[in-house]
Amino acid sequence: EIVLTQSPATLSLSPGERATLSCRASQSVSSHLAWYQQKPGQAPRLLIYDASNRATGIPVRFSGSGSGTDFTLTISSLEPEDFAVYYCQQRSNWPITFGQGTRLEIK
Amino acid sequence: EVQLLESGGGLVQPGGSLRLSCAASGFTFSSYAMNWVRQAPGKGLEWVSDIDGSGGSTHYADSVMGRFTISRDNSKNTLYLEMNSLRAEDTAVYYCVKRRVGYGAFDAWGQGTMVTVSS
Repeated sequence: EIVLTQSPATLSLSPGERATLSCRASQSVSSHLAWYQQKPGQAPRLLIYDASNRATGIPVRFSGSGSGTDFTLTISSLEPEDFAVYYCQQRSNWPITFGQGTRLEIK
Repeated sequence: EVQLLESGGGLVQPGGSLRLSCAASGFTFSSYAMNWVRQAPGKGLEWVSDIDGSGGSTHYADSVMGRFTISRDNSKNTLYLEMNSLRAEDTAVYYCVKRRVGYGAFDAWGQGTMVTVSS
């Protein structure tokens, strides 16, 4: 099983700041990595697929990078609605696995 | 617009059974793999099971292998999850999820249905 480790567990920032979230895989997942955003009481929403492609309707301030074992989700300038929990996920090998999540909170 | 509507959740005793359903609309259901993903209260996301578009290939998390069965009826645009021998640790919100083609990410999620396993 591929283990995804996200860091930091919690990130405290202010609106307008840049957020950098990390996801590290225990073995290569090529570019088969996705990022999701989840707000309280809501289902997750796909942000990024194939490591760097924005999903439909996702603002350009969200970007993804990386390949192999190290991946980054960057939010260039935080908006109030961006404070949420973010998960990475791989579908390179079975079973599909998720990272444990990064909570992005308002400082 | 893609819509996924889960039903069938509820309270069940340990060792009991439950069947979840997911009614899909807004896309060609038979063309896409579908999944179940769950989230225990206050916890992260856990993938449960995947089924390809035809229903001929399935995969399961080790935690549910042999107890849960995923299936689909493409004539009814409906996904199912049959859950047997339920345990307290199966308590979670269960999401029906559409997977993109190939090494697909999960691009559409239902609102979820709560399953509580308790005596």
